[in-house]
Amino acid sequence: QVQLVESGGGVVQPGTSLRLSCAASGFTFSSVGMHWVRQSPGKGLEWVAVIWYDGSQERYADSVRGRFTISRDNSKNTVYLQMNSLRAEDTAVYYCAKDVGPRDRSGHPTNWIDPWGQGTLVTVSS
Amino acid sequence: EIVLTQSPAILSLSPGERATLSCRASQSISRYLAWYQHKPGQAPRLVIYETSNRATGIPARFSGSGSGTDFTLTLSNLEPEDFAVYYCQQRSDWPLTFGGGTKVEIK
Repeated sequence: QVQLVESGGGVVQPGTSLRLSCAASGFTFSSVGMHWVRQSPGKGLEWVAVIWYDGSQERYADSVRGRFTISRDNSKNTVYLQMNSLRAEDTAVYYCAKDVGPRDRSGHPTNWIDPWGQGTLVTVSS
Repeated sequence: EIVLTQSPAILSLSPGERATLSCRASQSISRYLAWYQHKPGQAPRLVIYETSNRATGIPARFSGSGSGTDFTLTLSNLEPEDFAVYYCQQRSDWPLTFGGGTKVEIK
């Protein structure tokens, strides 16, 4: 079955960087888009970013554009989230999730998100 | 960005009752709406996509309806495992956005 395992979370100071990884298995990773979604303490879900199946395109939430970069390595079945210039408001559980798929004829993801990993906690604090 | 407003924030019901959750979009999103279930300590799970299609493994007591700006998720005959927070999400435009959530709690 599909497995998504996030890693790389931790406690960091404001202004620093962190890279999250998500190892995927149980499906043809190179065929579908991948998402990152986060949940701040006591808050709801916030979509962060998506990357196309082949890495050719990315989209970001306004709150992270220019600071975060999503990438993937299809040879390693892994998707990444590089987070720079971290702020206190970036504190959250970060979930890696698979696009439901299949992609359309243009290669675009469906933007329905499932399944999700268990998440990794990122705390930005001085 | 498209804002999704969910109501009520909290719904207190007993097992066996019917739950009706609302999601209103700030502009028309056609039928490009999904619902997710999220329980504490677990990964969120897709319940409904494209307004009314049940995701794999979701029982028939879950149903969705609506179009344009007003959408509803109905849980008929609530089971103990249905008590959770439910979020709506739109894919009509970038960025993808979620509603603030409705908590369905045991009365």
